[in-house]
Amino acid sequence: NAGVTQTPKFRVLKTGQSMTLLCAQDMNHEYMYWYRQDPGMGLRLIHYSVGEGTTAKGEVPDGYNVSRLKKQNFLLGLESAAPSQTSVYFCASSYEPGQTHALNTEAFFGQGTRLTVV
Amino acid sequence: KNQVEQSPQSLIILEGKNCTLQCNYTVSPFSNLRWYKQDTGRGPVSLTIMTFSENTKSNGRYTATLDADTKQSSLHITASQLSDSASYICVVSLGDDYKLSFGAGTTVTVRA
Repeated sequence: NAGVTQTPKFRVLKTGQSMTLLCAQDMNHEYMYWYRQDPGMGLRLIHYSVGEGTTAKGEVPDGYNVSRLKKQNFLLGLESAAPSQTSVYFCASSYEPGQTHALNTEAFFGQGTRLTVV
Repeated sequence: KNQVEQSPQSLIILEGKNCTLQCNYTVSPFSNLRWYKQDTGRGPVSLTIMTFSENTKSNGRYTATLDADTKQSSLHITASQLSDSASYICVVSLGDDYKLSFGAGTTVTVRA
């Protein structure tokens, strides 16, 4: 049981390049999230998904796209990277069907992807 | 403006000593409050989750308290160990969706 796995762990991009971050979870969780963490700030939600085939915008969605074609995977795409997107990105998942209440279930985080855009 | 404020921003304590971290929030409606521990270079790991009806929860040497009336929470670390050096993040779950509102964290450094 690996939990939440993110790939890659590190990446350097040139301005304008594109890339996709992959998040995979093996806990049968319904909900998945992408966050970014910047110095001195709390994690901010980029996009999230409440089930396979669904996605929704979070707090800072501009410049990012996501897809949830399979329940276990949540992809985050940067179409044209900008230096402002230099950050540490975290994926998380929560809520296995059958738990008592979705809102009070624990969220599990991946180990993060450190992205630098030059 | 961040809806979850933590203090202090950082602190240094000697091994074996206790410390208390503070969290004030303005999020409403409120479903639950969580404390996470984040080691350097790692993702956050859950320590406690408290619903609005709970006022204390423990996880080993970590004890979280919640006062829903004043919208304050604290995390108390007892008999600190070197492995407690990390960032501690207060997180509030909004009442009607699945989003979490994160504080900026308190960085704790435990020295021998």
